[in-house]
Amino acid sequence: NAGVMQNPRHLVRRRGQEARLRCSPVKGHSHVYWYRQLPEEGLKFMVYLQKENIIDESGMPKERFSAEFPKEGPSILRIQQVVRGDSAAYFCASSPSDRGNSPLHFGNGTRLTVT
Amino acid sequence: KNEVEQSPQNLTAQEGEFITINCSYSVGISALHWLQQHPGGGIVSLFMLSSGKKKHGRLIATINIQEKHSSLHITASHPRDSAVYICASPPTGANSKLTFGKGITLSVRP
Repeated sequence: NAGVMQNPRHLVRRRGQEARLRCSPVKGHSHVYWYRQLPEEGLKFMVYLQKENIIDESGMPKERFSAEFPKEGPSILRIQQVVRGDSAAYFCASSPSDRGNSPLHFGNGTRLTVT
Repeated sequence: KNEVEQSPQNLTAQEGEFITINCSYSVGISALHWLQQHPGGGIVSLFMLSSGKKKHGRLIATINIQEKHSSLHITASHPRDSAVYICASPPTGANSKLTFGKGITLSVRP
């Protein structure tokens, strides 16, 4: 069984461009979480999605950021008009359930660099 | 608001040493996660535990629910154990509310 797959592994964008980060959860997992890790900081929750629904986006900036988890295909985290402060590692995790005692599987992350 | 504290912040050990990393949280939880992150690498889930102790190879994780404290022990440490170790707790019993510690950077010297 493949784990959580994230791509690209590294992404370089100029200021003002769009960044699209993809996450394919573990097969059978319908709960997807996105986290951001800024340099020298801990992981911060961004958004929680189930298939076709955003359940909690309280950790995601209201402007320029959006996320989706369509019925078919990977979950996408989209950042429009990127700025230098968006440079970070973005991790995706999936789980079969949102229960706190449900295992979480993380991907290898996408390292976004904005020049 | 749940707060997760880890100590020490940085840790250097000699190969073969027994290592303990601590994690304290402020709100009662259903389970606590221990994660490992190698430099520039992905995140690996090491343990999820809600009581007692779990062991996997040279790694042992313990939790004391009453004291809101968990420890991760590494026996016979090896340079490949060098990584950041992160604990995380879901205070409301939902993974979507996970609160992460800042992580401990462990360096094991040969």
